[in-house]
Amino acid sequence: DAGVTQSPTHLIKTRGQQVTLRCSPISGHKSVSWYQQVLGQGPQFIFQYYEKEERGRGNFPDRFSARQFPNYSSELNVNALLLGDSALYLCASSLGSVRETQYFGPGTRLLVL
Amino acid sequence: KQEVTQIPAALSVPEGENLVLNCSFTDSAIYNLQWFRQDPGKGLTSLLLIQSSQREQTSGRLNASLDKSSGRSTLYIAASQPGDSATYLCAVRSSGGSNYKLTFGKGTLLTVNP
Repeated sequence: DAGVTQSPTHLIKTRGQQVTLRCSPISGHKSVSWYQQVLGQGPQFIFQYYEKEERGRGNFPDRFSARQFPNYSSELNVNALLLGDSALYLCASSLGSVRETQYFGPGTRLLVL
Repeated sequence: KQEVTQIPAALSVPEGENLVLNCSFTDSAIYNLQWFRQDPGKGLTSLLLIQSSQREQTSGRLNASLDKSSGRSTLYIAASQPGDSATYLCAVRSSGGSNYKLTFGKGTLLTVNP
């Protein structure tokens, strides 16, 4: 079975632009979470969606938004990009229970110039 | 607010050595703790998940323990190999209002020398 997939793998943008990152969860998984990882740090939580509803939001500005589609795939949008948004963006999926393993995708590397 | 600390930040060992990575967390009210491996520039690979009611989990050469009351977990790697070289991250899922997220440490960078 395919694992969590993310697209694109790499992205270069300039300050002020907008970006959309995509994630497809493992088949049967209804929960998708987004994390930001800057170099040398652990991932920081951005959003969690379950059954198309936002269940949690981390300490990120309103420039960050996300949604989950009926097929449980998800998009993360970032508007008005700043240099500090350069990071690896990770998507994780699970069946939905807090007791379950989170499975992460390969990430999207975003560079803002 | 849950905080996760991993010590040491980096570790270099010769091939074949047994080693222990440490993880501590400030709030013992957790559902579970998960250990991950991350290769440079890549995503996270799940290694072991320990529920709050468990004391340890084993997978091959890996053994993870959990002492919830003291806020500590260890990852033991037996007979290390160069292919084990990676960053190892631990993450906790707190119970209570913020149970929707994992809180990560900064990781331990492991280098196993041939």
